Amino acid sequence: DVVMTQSPLSLPVTLGQPASISCRSSQSLVHSDGNTYLNWFHQRPGQSPRRLIYRVSNRDSGVPDRFSGSGSGTDFTLKISRVEAEDVGVYYCMQGTHWPWTFGQGTKVEIK
Amino acid sequence: QITLKESGPTLVKPTQTLTLTCTFSGFSLSTSGVGVGWIRQPPGKALEWLALISWDDDKRYSPSPKSRLTITKDTSKNQVVLTMANMDPVDTATYYCVRGVGATWGQGTLVTVSS
Repeated sequence: DVVMTQSPLSLPVTLGQPASISCRSSQSLVHSDGNTYLNWFHQRPGQSPRRLIYRVSNRDSGVPDRFSGSGSGTDFTLKISRVEAEDVGVYYCMQGTHWPWTFGQGTKVEIK
Repeated sequence: QITLKESGPTLVKPTQTLTLTCTFSGFSLSTSGVGVGWIRQPPGKALEWLALISWDDDKRYSPSPKSRLTITKDTSKNQVVLTMANMDPVDTATYYCVRGVGATWGQGTLVTVSS
């Protein structure tokens, strides 16, 4: 299975400040069709995860533009330009290139 | 509007078979390229893909509990059913039904395995 490694696992942030989460895969996520199936999800306490970003850098409908995704191959990053209170929770990266699709361990974002 | 909802028992005994049903609306599993899958999350832990079924009845299973899993679809009822045999307390988790590669999630259902 492809191992997804996130860092940091805990991220205390100050409201209004930027935040960044790294995700690395144990093998390239470039699919044979040329796409890179790397997604980011946000899970608030007691809620289902919600997809924020698909195929590395595409924001889902309704996702604020303060969220951005970047990267290629095996190294990916989720950035929040200015953290808001509603951004707390756990963020997961997930690869959809190699079955079984796999998630990172999660990064818990909390307000300082 | 796309919605998915999981249903099934909240408590199962060890060695029993779990049957979960995902009932969805807003899309059809007979449409080319569409898939529905199951993901679980043990309490306080990360997410794990279990199985996926596609519009053309292609089925994929996670290698870990693969021999215990069966996924089927009923396109006319807009339902996908997951069965997991020989349940164990380590299978205690919230089970989610999702469309595609996690584009849309159900609310999840907590299944506890205990005697």
